[in-house]
Amino acid sequence: QQQVKQSPQSLIVQKGGISIINCAYENTAFDYFPWYQQFPGKGPALLIAIRPDVSEKKEGRFTISFNKSAKQFSLHIMDSQPGDSATYFCAAIRANFGNEKLTFGTGTRLTIIP
Amino acid sequence: DTEVTQTPKHLVMGMTNKKSLKCEQHMGHRAMYWYKQKAKKPPELMFVYSYEKLSINESVPSRFSPECPNSSLLNLHLHALQPEDSALYLCASSQGVGSKTEAFFGQGTRLTVV
Repeated sequence: QQQVKQSPQSLIVQKGGISIINCAYENTAFDYFPWYQQFPGKGPALLIAIRPDVSEKKEGRFTISFNKSAKQFSLHIMDSQPGDSATYFCAAIRANFGNEKLTFGTGTRLTIIP
Repeated sequence: DTEVTQTPKHLVMGMTNKKSLKCEQHMGHRAMYWYKQKAKKPPELMFVYSYEKLSINESVPSRFSPECPNSSLLNLHLHALQPEDSALYLCASSQGVGSKTEAFFGQGTRLTVV
């Protein structure tokens, strides 16, 4: 059972465009939502994270939008660059737990073309 | 130093071999993790060590045997593996279980079982 659903599976965006990746969850016990970026041959790295009491969080070109009532959250990458080409995983962590209960989405392979 | 170092980077082993994967961190983290990642899939948690004691075993077959010699080191001993065990094995660490602060991943060991 996939507790965090992620779409699309792959995404191609023109350089300078906006990349949008969506995630949805069912378990209302989740209270922390990190996004990970993984380059080929590397381990995942934390990109940005949000708690459900915040509707939006921005760090540089990366923004998380969170809709608690819809149980959905999304990652927006503004002014997408070829160096952003990677696989992105959304994730969720349950209340009263930490990284030991990290649930990943299925991943999105993002390709930025010149 | 925010690195998690894994060795070796690549490993090819036969089904009758015994080998070990090694992981080291010097961030003072008290939780360490082993993940398995198949191609185009998210990482799957295998084991969690908290304060050098095994706290989570996600029903991993006994042919995988973790060991935490001290707070900086984590090993994964492999014996009698199957070809379907071929994957990227990732080590990670974080401040502690129950902590939602960033988990740092190593670059992984690419394991091929022949």
